[in-house]
Amino acid sequence: DGGITQSPKYLFRKEGQNVTLSCEQNLNHDAMYWYRQDPGQGLRLIYYSQIVNDFQKGDIAEGYSVSREKKESFPLTVTSAQKNPTAFYLCASSIVRGGTYEQFFGPGTRLTVL
Amino acid sequence: AQSVTQLGSHVSVSEGALVLLRCNYSSSVPPYLFWYVQYPNQGLQLLLKYTTGATLVKGINGFEAEFKKSETSFHLTKPSAHMSDAAEYFCAVSEPNDKIIFGKGTRLHILP
Repeated sequence: DGGITQSPKYLFRKEGQNVTLSCEQNLNHDAMYWYRQDPGQGLRLIYYSQIVNDFQKGDIAEGYSVSREKKESFPLTVTSAQKNPTAFYLCASSIVRGGTYEQFFGPGTRLTVL
Repeated sequence: AQSVTQLGSHVSVSEGALVLLRCNYSSSVPPYLFWYVQYPNQGLQLLLKYTTGATLVKGINGFEAEFKKSETSFHLTKPSAHMSDAAEYFCAVSEPNDKIIFGKGTRLHILP
């Protein structure tokens, strides 16, 4: 089955530590996205990538970093510079050209900073 | 620039009653429009989408939405609410070859 996987489902981190969230897709999509979701704030775009080895900052990139070394993978690192990292993180992918930009989502990772 | 406004961050309806979730958009060209649903602690799932053609779009779980260009609206409806419809719903817009923009979401509560 084609889809997007995110791991782990739940993640706990001590304050001051970096942590990496995994996102893998086998849909052969060019574009991948990371969103942060907090109660009552909808989806906020952190980073996105439309092609391998290239990515752009979204609306709330400070304190986060990404890489796109493979088409299938788009890991997100939450660094110690992120002031309030506790949130639900969603990864998504989409076709870029000739499509509707409909996004397909992974199941999410809930990060809690202790 | 594209934008999406969802009216009402919380909507409550009785089981069996009509569900109406409102969405208005702004776009400089004919848009693509989407409704997604999110159940607690899960990712978003596509309910339905409008690209071109028929303006009344039918989706999964008995939901439908109508694209009204004159009103710049894409409201989501379901004739009879079920307890399992309780979730958060997101309206979204994209322009051809451009990225998707999401609304802030509407949480739907179903009253027994």
